[in-house]
Amino acid sequence: QSVVTQPPSASGTPGQGVIISCSGSRANIGNNHVAWYQHLPGTAPKLLIYNNNQRPSGVPDRFSGSRSGTSASLAISGLQSEDEGDYYCAAWDDNLDGLAFGGGTKVTVL
Amino acid sequence: EVQFLESGGGLVQPGESLTLSCSASGFSFNRYALSWVRQAPGKGLKWVSTISESGDSTKYADFAKGRFIISRDNSKNTVSLQMSSMGADDTAVYYCVKFGSSAWYRYNWFDRWGQGSLVTVSS
Repeated sequence: QSVVTQPPSASGTPGQGVIISCSGSRANIGNNHVAWYQHLPGTAPKLLIYNNNQRPSGVPDRFSGSRSGTSASLAISGLQSEDEGDYYCAAWDDNLDGLAFGGGTKVTVL
Repeated sequence: EVQFLESGGGLVQPGESLTLSCSASGFSFNRYALSWVRQAPGKGLKWVSTISESGDSTKYADFAKGRFIISRDNSKNTVSLQMSSMGADDTAVYYCVKFGSSAWYRYNWFDRWGQGSLVTVSS
């Protein structure tokens, strides 16, 4: 049972937008920075968002992140078929003194 | 270009030990903390362990404490994970990952991931 929780699934049609939530506590999201990772089938996970809302170079601006209090979210706009995969939020947890990943959200493009 | 070459994965019997190694290139190895993250079949990503830039500080997930040891050799650009008393629950793909900056862990992130090394614990 992770200290950071995400919905197990999200879906949308091509061109639509989806929002993935990530809920935690003051020990993790509330006090520390959130990162989001994309894990597509057969590939290594890839950094999508860091420091709550920063995009690394090369990540399309269709992906955006935000944090408010003890929750964070990842928004994907203009959904594309290649976006199908698993998405994870992560934040350092002060109680665990370690990194906490959310359980992951499987995004399906209908 | 940042690259990781992971090795050491394979089949191990319950109760036995295994050491994973990760050879890195394409960045100033001794300037970044490193971690191992694993993914069991059908499950999500789980942080395993982190080692500081110099190697003098380490952190472990509860399931790894007392059984796993992370180490690094900055002269050879390698990081290792020694795993002992392994059980079926340790079956997973293990990823070698690099932190994105020299900031404290709480303000940091993983910017590069290896391709992963499959470890199977079974008799």
